[in-house]
Amino acid sequence: DSGVTQTPKHLITATGQRVTLRCSPRSGDLSVYWYQQSLDQGLQFLIQYYNGEERAKGNILERFSAQQFPDLHSELNLSSLELGDSALYFCASSRTQSSGNTIYFGEGSWLTVV
Amino acid sequence: AQKVTQAQTEISVVEKEDVTLDCVYETRDTTYYLFWYKQPPSGELVFLIRRNSFDEQNEISGRYSWNFQKSTSSFNFTITASQVVDSAVYFCALSEAGNAGNMLTFGGGTRLMVKP
Repeated sequence: DSGVTQTPKHLITATGQRVTLRCSPRSGDLSVYWYQQSLDQGLQFLIQYYNGEERAKGNILERFSAQQFPDLHSELNLSSLELGDSALYFCASSRTQSSGNTIYFGEGSWLTVV
Repeated sequence: AQKVTQAQTEISVVEKEDVTLDCVYETRDTTYYLFWYKQPPSGELVFLIRRNSFDEQNEISGRYSWNFQKSTSSFNFTITASQVVDSAVYFCALSEAGNAGNMLTFGGGTRLMVKP
């Protein structure tokens, strides 16, 4: 158990809908990350937050948005969902924002868009 | 640009065999960090090891060992006396110090199947 908590674990929704994935980082970790794992694109970095501020951005679609709240939990919002958004979404956390910090991953949220 | 290549997409071994998973990386940074993660069938990503670019010492942890060679830009992972529970997808990842934040670039993963 990494200490990173993600909900929901599984989600099935229809195209065009909007969903919110939630994440609680490990105790003491200030940085939160979101990654997407799909069959065709592998593990892709989406976005990183540190202490509530966006720190780095990867291949995150405009239909997707995220935020980190004052209590350090984070949410990833996915809107206007398409079939291709079906994937395993990981939240992860690390102690600081710095490169090289070990990143611990949650168990992931399986999103199926039908 | 940073890149991680795991050329072996799938490896199948019989229990108790030794197996090496290859990882080759590309980076322009002189300071960088390398990681290995394990993804068992249940799906979670489990951290195994972190190595910085200034530490080329090999590491051994039980049946696991890692060989880091800057000269060949490789960070290979060996499992000795493999067990069925080692069956998983293994990912190598790279983080560059020059990047904003702490983004990990992952390789495509190697699926290891250990048969009894």
